[in-house]
Amino acid sequence: GESVGLHLPTLSVQEGDNSIINCAYSNSASDYFIWYKQESGKGPQFIIDIRSNMDKRQGQRVTVLLNKTVKHLSLQIAATQPGDSAVYFCAENPNFGNEKLTFGTGTRLTIIP
Amino acid sequence: KAGVTQTPRYLIKTRGQQVTLSCSPISGHRSVSWYQQTPGQGLQFLFEYFSETQRNKGNFPGRFSGRQFSNSRSEMNVSTLELGDSALYLCASSAAGTGAEKLFFGSGTQLSVL
Repeated sequence: GESVGLHLPTLSVQEGDNSIINCAYSNSASDYFIWYKQESGKGPQFIIDIRSNMDKRQGQRVTVLLNKTVKHLSLQIAATQPGDSAVYFCAENPNFGNEKLTFGTGTRLTIIP
Repeated sequence: KAGVTQTPRYLIKTRGQQVTLSCSPISGHRSVSWYQQTPGQGLQFLFEYFSETQRNKGNFPGRFSGRQFSNSRSEMNVSTLELGDSALYLCASSAAGTGAEKLFFGSGTQLSVL
């Protein structure tokens, strides 16, 4: 079946540095991708999304890059802060017209003070 | 605007019992979907409802069911609970359910089956 996978389960970054979290997806038909942040005891929190007709999208301190050729997605967080420590999930929706996300396994990001 | 609200926050049940979880979507949102989160399997899609109709169902046994009411509130039910059903159950809502819009999650219901 289709799946979304992450290259690294854990990532430690010095406070103030930039971090990059990667994600590989396997369904070439996926049209919509989302990055979520999940803190302990909370549900996933929307960070940023991107449609397949785009290569890059920027938000506040975050940038998502989409490479459809190699089916790769990345989340860049600039000037990381302690509050960025969390588990980050990428998700894809290959079923346009309804909500059915396939999630990656997640990357735990730890910010070192 | 209030976010997605799930109740109860925690539940402890024993094997064989059944459980009902509740979800109130963001006001105006018509699509409600449910996910199961476990350390071993991650986040897995259970089902999605739109305008009181189930549009999609994940690969879960028939013991897992749900419904949506006319005010978009949703419930999911798990019958004949098994130890493996212990998980965080997350509800998410979106405005139009197009599959290409922001999906907002609640904080979840942590279910423990003993």
